[in-house]
Amino acid sequence: ILNVEQSPQSLHVQEGDSTNFTCSFPSSNFYALHWYRWETAKSPEALFVMTLNGDEKKKGRISATLNTKEGYSYLYIKGSQPEDSATYLCASTGYNNNDMRFGAGTRLTVKP
Amino acid sequence: DVKVTQSSRYLVKRTGEKVFLECVQDMDHENMFWYRQDPGLGLRLIYFSYDVKMKEKGDIPEGYSVSREKKERFSLILESASTNQTSMYLCASSFRGAYEQYFGPGTRLTVT
Repeated sequence: ILNVEQSPQSLHVQEGDSTNFTCSFPSSNFYALHWYRWETAKSPEALFVMTLNGDEKKKGRISATLNTKEGYSYLYIKGSQPEDSATYLCASTGYNNNDMRFGAGTRLTVKP
Repeated sequence: DVKVTQSSRYLVKRTGEKVFLECVQDMDHENMFWYRQDPGLGLRLIYFSYDVKMKEKGDIPEGYSVSREKKERFSLILESASTNQTSMYLCASSFRGAYEQYFGPGTRLTVT
């Protein structure tokens, strides 16, 4: 994998559903994996930064895991709420911290 | 709280016009970045700066220039706007040596 890829591109779920999306990234020269939440008309907001293989992070109903050997990360949202509607971006950072590569994002819509 | 502000949320310019996009951060960050985001693509780095008067080209610098005369301010300049520069432009900043970037809310530029 040469680029950071996210799937699915978009997702529509009902309130209360749990959901997850995937980020794939190049495993060579890897330093850190970032997840951002970008709500319409707002700034992208950092959710998690993970560096170690097997890392798991949690913030409320949202959690993320990291597999650096195979080059993927999952973001999970438990019991989705309408306020979770946003675009979720992942980005991979190499050892040069200016080299942040972004995926195209997963746009989540949670219907009440 | 870190705050990154951008001068305009929406901007409409004509082909051939010179366009200035301004970004200001209030956290004394050394690094500042300009990205553009287009549908189906991840954020792409245009230019970044790691100090006053210093700049480095990102992945897509063609058609753009930047200016960093003060630490808190990083300007993106479109010397002669073209329709293919219609996009969402995001500014970000970070401390030197840190990999977490803080984003502004974006400027949606339309060139007609």
